[in-house]
Amino acid sequence: NAGVMQNPRHLVRRRGQEARLRCSPMKGHSHVYWYRQLPEEGLKFMVYLQKENIIDESGMPKERFSAEFPKEGPSILRIQQVVRGDSAAYFCASSPNRRIAAFFGQGTRLTVV
Amino acid sequence: GESVGLHLPTLSVQEGDNSIINCAYSNSASDYFIWYKQESGKGPQFIIDIRSNMDKRQGQRVTVLLNKTVKHLSLQIAATQPGDSAVYFCAEIAGLSGGGADGLTFGKGTHLIIQP
Repeated sequence: NAGVMQNPRHLVRRRGQEARLRCSPMKGHSHVYWYRQLPEEGLKFMVYLQKENIIDESGMPKERFSAEFPKEGPSILRIQQVVRGDSAAYFCASSPNRRIAAFFGQGTRLTVV
Repeated sequence: GESVGLHLPTLSVQEGDNSIINCAYSNSASDYFIWYKQESGKGPQFIIDIRSNMDKRQGQRVTVLLNKTVKHLSLQIAATQPGDSAVYFCAEIAGLSGGGADGLTFGKGTHLIIQP
Protein backbone atom coordinates (compact mmCIF):
# COMPACT_ATOMS: atom_id res chain seq x y z
CA ASN A 1 0.00 0.00 0.00
CA ALA A 2 1.85 3.02 -1.26
CA GLY A 3 1.93 6.11 0.89
CA VAL A 4 1.04 9.63 -0.14
CA MET A 5 2.91 10.35 -3.35
CA GLN A 6 4.02 13.82 -4.29
CA ASN A 7 5.79 14.94 -7.41
CA PRO A 8 8.00 16.43 -8.36
CA ARG A 9 10.24 16.23 -5.28
CA HIS A 10 12.12 19.33 -6.37
CA LEU A 11 10.89 22.08 -8.65
CA VAL A 12 12.76 25.15 -9.82
CA ARG A 13 10.84 28.00 -11.43
CA ARG A 14 11.78 31.46 -12.58
CA ARG A 15 9.83 34.41 -11.24
CA GLY A 16 6.59 34.81 -13.13
CA GLN A 17 6.29 31.16 -14.17
CA GLU A 18 3.66 28.73 -12.99
CA ALA A 19 4.29 25.89 -10.57
CA ARG A 20 2.14 22.75 -10.50
CA LEU A 21 2.49 20.39 -7.57
CA ARG A 22 0.80 17.00 -7.62
CA CYS A 23 -0.38 14.76 -4.81
CA SER A 24 -1.81 11.26 -5.00
CA PRO A 25 -3.41 10.30 -1.68
CA MET A 26 -3.16 6.92 -0.08
CA LYS A 27 -5.48 4.31 -1.46
CA GLY A 28 -8.92 4.68 0.02
CA HIS A 29 -8.32 8.23 1.27
CA SER A 30 -10.66 10.85 -0.11
CA HIS A 31 -9.53 13.78 2.05
CA VAL A 32 -6.48 15.79 1.01
CA TYR A 33 -4.70 18.62 2.80
CA TRP A 34 -1.94 20.93 1.57
CA TYR A 35 0.59 22.55 3.90
CA ARG A 36 3.49 24.91 3.34
CA GLN A 37 6.71 24.83 5.33
CA LEU A 38 9.32 27.57 5.37
CA PRO A 39 12.88 26.74 6.52
CA GLU A 40 13.12 26.21 10.28
CA GLU A 41 9.36 26.65 10.63
CA GLY A 42 6.36 24.48 11.32
CA LEU A 43 3.83 23.58 8.68
CA LYS A 44 1.10 26.05 7.81
CA PHE A 45 -2.27 24.79 6.69
CA MET A 46 -3.33 25.94 3.24
CA VAL A 47 -6.33 24.03 1.96
CA TYR A 48 -8.48 20.98 2.58
CA LEU A 49 -10.22 19.18 -0.27
CA GLN A 50 -12.41 16.21 -0.88
CA LYS A 51 -13.07 14.77 -4.30
CA GLU A 52 -14.20 17.64 -6.56
CA ASN A 53 -14.78 19.95 -3.59
CA ILE A 54 -12.77 22.55 -1.73
CA ILE A 55 -13.86 22.27 1.89
CA ASP A 56 -11.62 24.80 3.61
CA GLU A 57 -9.21 27.17 1.89
CA SER A 58 -8.75 29.54 4.80
CA GLY A 59 -4.96 29.16 4.65
CA MET A 60 -4.58 29.85 0.95
CA PRO A 61 -3.28 33.21 -0.23
CA LYS A 62 -6.08 35.08 -1.95
CA GLU A 63 -4.22 35.52 -5.22
CA ARG A 64 -2.16 33.28 -7.50
CA PHE A 65 -2.81 30.07 -5.52
CA SER A 66 -5.43 27.49 -6.39
CA ALA A 67 -6.05 23.84 -5.63
CA GLU A 68 -8.18 21.09 -7.05
CA PHE A 69 -8.91 17.44 -6.43
CA PRO A 70 -10.69 16.07 -9.49
CA LYS A 71 -12.80 12.97 -9.58
CA GLU A 72 -9.99 11.16 -11.37
CA GLY A 73 -6.31 11.82 -10.86
CA PRO A 74 -4.17 13.54 -8.27
CA SER A 75 -4.78 16.70 -6.34
CA ILE A 76 -3.04 19.71 -7.86
CA LEU A 77 -1.74 22.80 -6.10
CA ARG A 78 -1.12 25.53 -8.63
CA ILE A 79 0.86 28.68 -8.07
CA GLN A 80 0.70 31.24 -10.84
CA GLN A 81 3.29 33.96 -11.45
CA VAL A 82 5.58 32.65 -8.75
CA VAL A 83 7.65 35.04 -6.65
CA ARG A 84 10.73 34.37 -4.52
CA GLY A 85 8.59 34.32 -1.39
CA ASP A 86 6.83 31.22 -2.69
CA SER A 87 10.02 29.21 -2.21
CA ALA A 88 9.18 26.60 0.40
CA ALA A 89 8.44 22.93 0.92
CA TYR A 90 4.85 22.03 0.12
CA PHE A 91 3.43 18.97 1.80
CA CYS A 92 0.31 17.03 1.04
CA ALA A 93 -1.45 14.81 3.54
CA SER A 94 -4.36 12.45 3.16
CA SER A 95 -6.77 10.86 5.57
CA PRO A 96 -9.75 8.53 5.52
CA ASN A 97 -11.88 11.03 7.41
CA ARG A 98 -11.91 14.74 8.03
CA ARG A 99 -9.86 16.75 10.48
CA ILE A 100 -7.16 14.14 10.92
CA ALA A 101 -4.13 14.57 8.66
CA ALA A 102 -2.11 11.59 9.79
CA PHE A 103 -0.23 10.65 6.61
CA PHE A 104 2.06 13.04 4.83
CA GLY A 105 3.92 12.81 1.56
CA GLN A 106 7.60 13.57 1.18
CA GLY A 107 6.91 17.06 -0.07
CA THR A 108 7.78 19.17 -3.08
CA ARG A 109 10.56 21.67 -2.58
CA LEU A 110 9.89 24.69 -4.72
CA THR A 111 12.70 27.10 -5.45
CA VAL A 112 11.95 30.33 -7.27
CA VAL A 113 14.95 31.93 -8.91
CA GLY B 1 -3.55 35.26 17.48
CA GLU B 2 -3.68 31.83 19.02
CA SER B 3 -0.86 29.47 18.22
CA VAL B 4 0.94 26.32 19.15
CA GLY B 5 4.55 26.68 20.16
CA LEU B 6 7.42 24.75 21.66
CA HIS B 7 9.54 25.87 24.61
CA LEU B 8 12.98 24.81 23.32
CA PRO B 9 14.23 24.84 19.76
CA THR B 10 16.97 22.23 20.40
CA LEU B 11 17.21 19.35 22.85
CA SER B 12 20.38 17.30 23.20
CA VAL B 13 20.30 13.99 25.08
CA GLN B 14 22.60 11.03 25.55
CA GLU B 15 21.79 7.84 23.71
CA GLY B 16 19.82 5.58 26.01
CA ASP B 17 18.42 8.41 28.11
CA ASN B 18 14.80 9.47 28.13
CA SER B 19 13.74 12.59 26.25
CA ILE B 20 10.93 14.97 27.07
CA ILE B 21 9.76 17.44 24.45
CA ASN B 22 7.30 20.09 25.55
CA CYS B 23 4.62 22.01 23.75
CA ALA B 24 2.34 24.85 24.84
CA TYR B 25 -0.88 25.67 23.08
CA SER B 26 -3.16 28.62 23.53
CA ASN B 27 -6.41 27.65 21.84
CA SER B 28 -8.68 26.44 24.61
CA ALA B 29 -10.98 24.92 21.97
CA SER B 30 -8.29 22.47 20.85
CA ASP B 31 -9.47 18.94 21.39
CA TYR B 32 -7.13 16.77 19.37
CA PHE B 33 -3.34 16.74 19.43
CA ILE B 34 -0.74 14.95 17.36
CA TRP B 35 3.02 14.58 17.60
CA TYR B 36 4.96 14.30 14.37
CA LYS B 37 8.58 13.46 13.70
CA GLN B 38 10.28 15.01 10.71
CA GLU B 39 13.67 13.86 9.49
CA SER B 40 15.73 16.03 7.21
CA GLY B 41 14.31 16.16 3.70
CA LYS B 42 11.26 14.09 4.55
CA GLY B 43 7.63 14.65 5.33
CA PRO B 44 6.21 14.59 8.88
CA GLN B 45 5.69 11.13 10.25
CA PHE B 46 2.83 10.44 12.64
CA ILE B 47 4.02 9.32 16.08
CA ILE B 48 1.11 9.44 18.47
CA ASP B 49 -2.10 11.33 19.06
CA ILE B 50 -4.33 12.15 22.00
CA ARG B 51 -7.83 13.51 22.39
CA SER B 52 -8.76 16.08 24.99
CA ASN B 53 -10.77 13.59 27.03
CA MET B 54 -7.52 11.81 27.90
CA ASP B 55 -4.52 12.82 30.03
CA LYS B 56 -2.05 10.22 28.90
CA ARG B 57 -1.51 7.85 26.02
CA GLN B 58 1.28 5.38 25.47
CA GLY B 59 2.77 3.93 22.36
CA GLN B 60 5.91 1.99 21.64
CA ARG B 61 8.65 3.84 23.56
CA VAL B 62 6.61 7.05 23.45
CA THR B 63 4.15 8.61 25.86
CA VAL B 64 2.10 11.74 25.36
CA LEU B 65 0.85 13.69 28.35
CA LEU B 66 -1.84 16.33 28.12
CA ASN B 67 -2.50 18.94 30.80
CA LYS B 68 -5.54 20.91 29.72
CA THR B 69 -5.46 23.14 32.80
CA VAL B 70 -2.22 24.77 31.74
CA LYS B 71 -2.59 23.95 28.03
CA HIS B 72 0.56 21.89 27.92
CA LEU B 73 1.49 18.82 25.94
CA SER B 74 4.61 16.70 26.22
CA LEU B 75 6.18 13.83 24.34
CA GLN B 76 8.34 11.41 26.25
CA ILE B 77 10.67 9.12 24.35
CA ALA B 78 12.15 6.27 26.35
CA ALA B 79 15.70 4.99 25.80
CA THR B 80 16.48 7.29 22.90
CA GLN B 81 18.27 5.87 19.92
CA PRO B 82 20.26 7.56 17.13
CA GLY B 83 17.27 7.09 14.84
CA ASP B 84 15.24 9.36 17.09
CA SER B 85 17.24 12.38 15.93
CA ALA B 86 14.77 14.60 14.11
CA VAL B 87 12.58 17.65 14.51
CA TYR B 88 9.47 16.98 16.53
CA PHE B 89 6.31 19.00 16.02
CA CYS B 90 3.19 19.13 18.07
CA ALA B 91 0.01 19.93 16.19
CA GLU B 92 -3.46 20.70 17.37
CA ILE B 93 -6.89 21.02 15.94
CA ALA B 94 -9.96 22.57 17.44
CA GLY B 95 -13.45 21.33 17.12
CA LEU B 96 -12.78 17.75 16.10
CA SER B 97 -16.14 16.92 17.53
CA GLY B 98 -17.85 19.50 15.38
CA GLY B 99 -17.08 22.96 14.10
CA GLY B 100 -13.70 24.63 13.94
CA ALA B 101 -11.09 24.87 11.25
CA ASP B 102 -10.15 21.84 9.23
CA GLY B 103 -6.39 22.22 9.29
CA LEU B 104 -3.86 21.28 11.89
CA THR B 105 -1.95 24.11 13.56
CA PHE B 106 1.71 23.22 13.94
CA GLY B 107 4.28 24.53 16.36
CA LYS B 108 7.75 25.51 15.17
CA GLY B 109 9.39 22.28 16.24
CA THR B 110 12.08 21.01 18.57
CA HIS B 111 15.25 19.57 17.11
CA LEU B 112 16.18 16.46 19.12
CA ILE B 113 19.87 15.58 18.94
CA ILE B 114 21.06 12.23 20.25
CA GLN B 115 24.62 12.26 21.57
CA PRO B 116 26.52 8.94 21.31
